[in-house]
Amino acid sequence: DAKTTQPNSMESNEEEPVHLPCNHSTISGTDYIHWYRQLPSQGPEYVIHGLTSNVNNRMASLAIAEDRKSSTLILHRATLRDAAVYYCIPLSNDYKLSFGAGTTVTVRA
Amino acid sequence: NAGVTQTPKFQVLKTGQSMTLQCAQDMNHEYMSWYRQDPGMGLRLIHYSVGAGITDQGEVPNGYNVSRSTTEDFPLRLLSAAPSQTSVYFCASSYSVRGLEAFFGQGTRLTVV
Repeated sequence: DAKTTQPNSMESNEEEPVHLPCNHSTISGTDYIHWYRQLPSQGPEYVIHGLTSNVNNRMASLAIAEDRKSSTLILHRATLRDAAVYYCIPLSNDYKLSFGAGTTVTVRA
Repeated sequence: NAGVTQTPKFQVLKTGQSMTLQCAQDMNHEYMSWYRQDPGMGLRLIHYSVGAGITDQGEVPNGYNVSRSTTEDFPLRLLSAAPSQTSVYFCASSYSVRGLEAFFGQGTRLTVV
């Protein structure tokens, strides 16, 4: 499994963008990059995924480096409901999600 | 769709007792899995299944058994509960396609005394 490196924590003000980096330098060419988040006392929730191209959905954007060794999850306008632990997960052929420690995002009102 | 349903939500066991955590999904997903999450930690994979009749071990399988007789259900059995199994347990399901999302249940908080 590809190893990932994420900052332990990040803070943001409400209504401001949040850029969450993830380093996955050992990712294989066919691994998808998934992002999940876990709100307090809840199960993980899918955020977004991509393979090579940048991706957008209603929750966030995912920017993937050209060499695929890193990616950045972008929350365009953070709200208090976005306070959570965010996990970056390269997903390989075995479909097993491997959760690291993630990044704890705090949003200030 | 109810999604992924886990029961019970809370459970207290005495050391040595056995019990089954239930997980059901109504999305016709092939892939189902069980994770545990200890305080302040990420999730760790216990067992998973890629379809009815097929199960395999994850990262921390000791002390747990699973079976998958139907597509919908994937119960997790604790054979003889130990305090080290105190944790929050999450069940997840997804289509067996890497580009699609996984859905998680709300968790079962288990305390072994």
